[in-house]
Amino acid sequence: EAQVTQNPRYLITVTGKKLTVTCSQNMNHEYMSWYRQDPGLGLRQIYYSMNVEVTDKGDVPEGYKVSRKEKRNFPLILESPSPNQTSLYFCASRVSGRGTNEQFFGPGTRLTVL
Amino acid sequence: DQQVKQNSPSLSVQEGRISILNCDYTNSMFDYFLWYKKYPAEGPTFLISISSIKDKNEDGRFTVFLNKSAKHLSLHIVPSQPGDSAVYFCAATPTGNQFYFGTGTSLTVIP
Repeated sequence: EAQVTQNPRYLITVTGKKLTVTCSQNMNHEYMSWYRQDPGLGLRQIYYSMNVEVTDKGDVPEGYKVSRKEKRNFPLILESPSPNQTSLYFCASRVSGRGTNEQFFGPGTRLTVL
Repeated sequence: DQQVKQNSPSLSVQEGRISILNCDYTNSMFDYFLWYKKYPAEGPTFLISISSIKDKNEDGRFTVFLNKSAKHLSLHIVPSQPGDSAVYFCAATPTGNQFYFGTGTSLTVIP
């Protein structure tokens, strides 16, 4: 089954404790992206990657890091989480090229930073 | 500043009637627009899209209209069904890499 998977689905942590949210897709997509969803703000793009070793900032990259060492994986790293990073996070992927902008989203990771 | 706006947080429609969801944008560089549907505890799923070179795109019960001069797009669902009850997000992109989403409209279709 074609899908985007995220782990963990739920995470409660404390301020300053480094964490990684993993994202993996099995559709051989070149493009991957991370979003956060907050009430009243919709989805906001954090980082995106057009291919292996190619990443760029989205709208709200502060406090986050990403890496793209393999095509299928795109982990999101919070080196020193803060309470304002409490949010619902989504990973997405799509085929590259201008003709197809449809993204496939993972199920989400709900993060709480105390 | 929000470049894509959905000014109606919620909408209720009777089953069988038309649902119209609206979206406004400010960036004239946006050239592709998409609608996503989201159920609770799931990720958004793609619904329909439109390129800026078109003013209408239809897919079954779903039609998206684009008015570039007004920087406005709308999603029409006809006829509405209870299974359409979800949160709908519009999104726009200037490059196919950066995406900007609205705040969402929660649609309730009443049986």
